[in-house]
Amino acid sequence: TQLLEQSPQFLSIQEGENLTVYCNSSSVFSSLQWYRQEPGEGPVLLVTVVTGGEVKKLKRLTFQFGDARKDSSLHITAAQPGDTGLYLCAGGTGANNLFFGTGTRLTVIP
Amino acid sequence: GAVVSQHPSRVICKSGTSVKIECRSLDFQATTMFWYRQFPKQSLMLMATSNEGSKATYEQGVEKDKFLINHASLTLSTLTVTSAHPEDSSFYICSARGGWYTEAFFGQGTRLTVV
Repeated sequence: TQLLEQSPQFLSIQEGENLTVYCNSSSVFSSLQWYRQEPGEGPVLLVTVVTGGEVKKLKRLTFQFGDARKDSSLHITAAQPGDTGLYLCAGGTGANNLFFGTGTRLTVIP
Repeated sequence: GAVVSQHPSRVICKSGTSVKIECRSLDFQATTMFWYRQFPKQSLMLMATSNEGSKATYEQGVEKDKFLINHASLTLSTLTVTSAHPEDSSFYICSARGGWYTEAFFGQGTRLTVV
């Protein structure tokens, strides 16, 4: 089982602040995905990155895949209360299996 | 993105009974489905992976006789928790992958409470 460590585990910030969440592993992944999950619901896919060094932007969210495809980061600019949730990275290995990170619980205070 | 529907969203059952959870891909053919368990304030733990028409592959530590997985069609997988006990109470989530999609899409989850 590939292990993906996310940091920080918990993050509480004021509205308007910036933040970065990290996802690290010693394993190489063919793809890396970021999800956001709200209480009592399933995770919702935010983005998929597949190329080492790739950077994708989704409005105020910027995702980067490490050059060696072992790590990733999620940067949120000017956080809003609606960004509150559990953020999960997940590494894909070939055709099957998606291994989830340990999760980062973000709270944005109005 | 694709739509995956999970049913029921909540279920309460008595200890010793069995509960079946359904996971359907509504607009694509899911060649692979995944079942996860999530404890409060924790990440998702992969329980098993199933390919249509084949036996599920269970992760280490997951009892295959207790968590029966069937993936008989390209749009439906079921997870049956047999002889449920209070410690089986958890949030169970399925995801599906296939068709044009390389990503996996998730169902809404099922909150199981065993009393």
